[in-house]
Amino acid sequence: NAGVTQTPKFQVLKTGQSMTLQCAQDMNHNSMYWYRQDPGMGLRLIYYSASEGTTDKGEVPNGYNVSRLNKREFSLRLESAAPSQTSVYFCASSPGLGLTDTQYFGPGTRLTVL
Amino acid sequence: GESVGLHLPTLSVQEGDNSIINCAYSNSASDYFIWYKQESGKGPQFIIDIRSNMDKRQGQRVTVLLNKTVKHLSLQIAATQPGDSAVYFCAENIVGTYKYIFGTGTRLKVLA
Repeated sequence: NAGVTQTPKFQVLKTGQSMTLQCAQDMNHNSMYWYRQDPGMGLRLIYYSASEGTTDKGEVPNGYNVSRLNKREFSLRLESAAPSQTSVYFCASSPGLGLTDTQYFGPGTRLTVL
Repeated sequence: GESVGLHLPTLSVQEGDNSIINCAYSNSASDYFIWYKQESGKGPQFIIDIRSNMDKRQGQRVTVLLNKTVKHLSLQIAATQPGDSAVYFCAENIVGTYKYIFGTGTRLKVLA
């Protein structure tokens, strides 16, 4: 039982390049999330998917797109990377039952945009 | 190396002592709270949670205290061990919503 997995672990991009961050969970969770973590700031929500087939914007969605491919997988795409998107990206999942909905996190992707 | 958390407040404790990490939460409507532990280069790891209908909850070597009057949360770690060295942060949530507010965290250093 791997929990939440993310690929790649590290990535360096040049400004304007595109890439997709992959996330998968094996806990049969309904909800999945993408966060970014920057120095001196708490985790900030980029996008979330409450259930398979739905996605919604979070606090900082500009410059990103997401796809909930199936119940297990939730990807984050940067169409034209900018230096301001240099950050550590975390995927999380939760049961999504509308009760106390604990989020469980992946190991993160460390992205640098030059 | 890990650049997140360079300027965090730091709590240094001797191995074997008890640690108390504090968090002031922001939304008086929040009714669910989680403490996470984040080791260098890793993702946040769930430690313990508490709902607002409780003042205290205990786990293995950890206790969370909630004071709703002053919107304060604390995490107590008993007999702190070197493996407890990490950044600890709290998260608040309104049950039934998908929005979490995460604190910036406190770095715990365990001195041998």
